[in-house]
Amino acid sequence: QKEVEQNSGPLSVPEGAIASLNCTYSDRGSQSFFWYRQYSGKSPELIMSIYSNGDKEDGRFTAQLNKASQYVSLLIRDSQPSDSATYLCAVNLISNFGNEKLTFGTGTRLTIIP
Amino acid sequence: EAQVTQNPRYLITVTGKKLTVTCSQNMNHEYMSWYRQDPGLGLRQIYYSMNVEVTDKGDVPEGYKVSRKEKRNFPLILESPSPNQTSLYFCASKGGGQNYGYTFGSGTRLTVV
Repeated sequence: QKEVEQNSGPLSVPEGAIASLNCTYSDRGSQSFFWYRQYSGKSPELIMSIYSNGDKEDGRFTAQLNKASQYVSLLIRDSQPSDSATYLCAVNLISNFGNEKLTFGTGTRLTIIP
Repeated sequence: EAQVTQNPRYLITVTGKKLTVTCSQNMNHEYMSWYRQDPGLGLRQIYYSMNVEVTDKGDVPEGYKVSRKEKRNFPLILESPSPNQTSLYFCASKGGGQNYGYTFGSGTRLTVV
């Protein structure tokens, strides 16, 4: 089982609709969770972080975390063509020695259709 | 401007010829990390560093070396590159604390022939 799993897509969403991206993780000790956006040929860019169960909103983006189900999601409201990118889920695990290990999923490619 | 700077952006080299990819950050971050990104495999961590002189292996450390002699710099060394190290490499840094995410450099596309 992969440590962080995402549906690779592509996910196509009409402009103005809600895009929903999902991620599951295997290690119950994981403590913080991140969503990155990566445009083709560019580096990943941090867009959301979440540490507690529930929802966290930032503008058009909402991250949702359910630690019991080991599930993280990202909702993008009022999707715009500029949201077309690959979205990477990342999970942070702290070891007993204090080392942090950030593990990424393989990403979901999102296309917003005008 | 707060940033992570990698050099070079593109590099083509031959098998066995030692190379170094430099990485520097100006944010006084404790953590620095190297990732490689390959199609279908995503971002995989090569090495990371929690602070000066403190480094540890990630998921795919074979064939790579790192050093952290200064807080701002974290070079990646390929002593004897092989074609399977052809990849897109990213350096990243972050402040201490689990709730901080990494800031990534622009990437280095390496081709080993």
